[in-house]
Amino acid sequence: QKEVEQNSGPLSVPEGAIASLNCTYSDRGSQSFFWYRQYSGKSPELIMSIYSNGDKEDGRFTAQLNKASQYVSLLIRDSQPSDSATYLCAGAYTGANSKLTFGKGITLSVRP
Amino acid sequence: EPEVTQTPSHQVTQMGQEVILRCVPISNHLYFYWYRQILGQKVEFLVSFYNNEISEKSEIFDDQFSVERPDGSNFTLKIRSTKLEDSAMYFCASSQEYADTQYFGPGTRLTVL
Repeated sequence: QKEVEQNSGPLSVPEGAIASLNCTYSDRGSQSFFWYRQYSGKSPELIMSIYSNGDKEDGRFTAQLNKASQYVSLLIRDSQPSDSATYLCAGAYTGANSKLTFGKGITLSVRP
Repeated sequence: EPEVTQTPSHQVTQMGQEVILRCVPISNHLYFYWYRQILGQKVEFLVSFYNNEISEKSEIFDDQFSVERPDGSNFTLKIRSTKLEDSAMYFCASSQEYADTQYFGPGTRLTVL
C-alpha cells in the first residue's frame, strides 16, 4: 500500500516567520512529488513540483526532496495571512499510471 | 491561462438517481483523472483515463461509476445509482504528460439525500 503521511499539524506561525511543512512516503518507487494548497471548500492549487533530490525554490517557497530518507518538505518564507490554508503533499508513483496519492494535509494558520 | 472547468458546481440528488458530472480539461492535455474528497478527509483517486480508455481505477470506482470522453473536449463521470456515501466533492484533473503536474478543476459538490 503506497502511503503519503503528513502527521504534523495544525501549524500556527506569526506573520513574517518561516513555516516548515513535512511529508513522508512509503514507496521508494516514487517518481515525483507535488505540494498543493487547498482553501476551505476549494480545489487543490499547485504550489510546487519536485522530481529529483535536493531543493527547488520558487519565490517564497522551497521544496526539498530526500529520496534516501523518503521525505518531502515545503518551506514558506515570510509567511503571510493569505498563506493560511491546508497544504497537501502528493506523490506520483512509477508504474501507477501517474495517479496522485495524497496525504491528509497540514493546516497552516499565519497570525497577523 | 488555461484551466480545467467543471459543471455543475453543486448537484443535489436523491439516493438511487443517476448523476453526470462534467469536466472540460485543458485543451492540449492527454491524461485525465477524477478524484473525490469526502468532507474532512483526504483527496482520493478514482480513475485515470488516457487514449480513450481507463488506464487505472481504484477500489472506489465500482460498477456504479463510468467515465466517458464523448467528444474532443468533455470528460464525464457518471454515477448510475447514487448512494448517501457518494456525497463528496468531485475533482477533475488533467496533465499534459505521464507523471506530470496535474491541474485541478474547481470541483462539483455532490449531495445525495
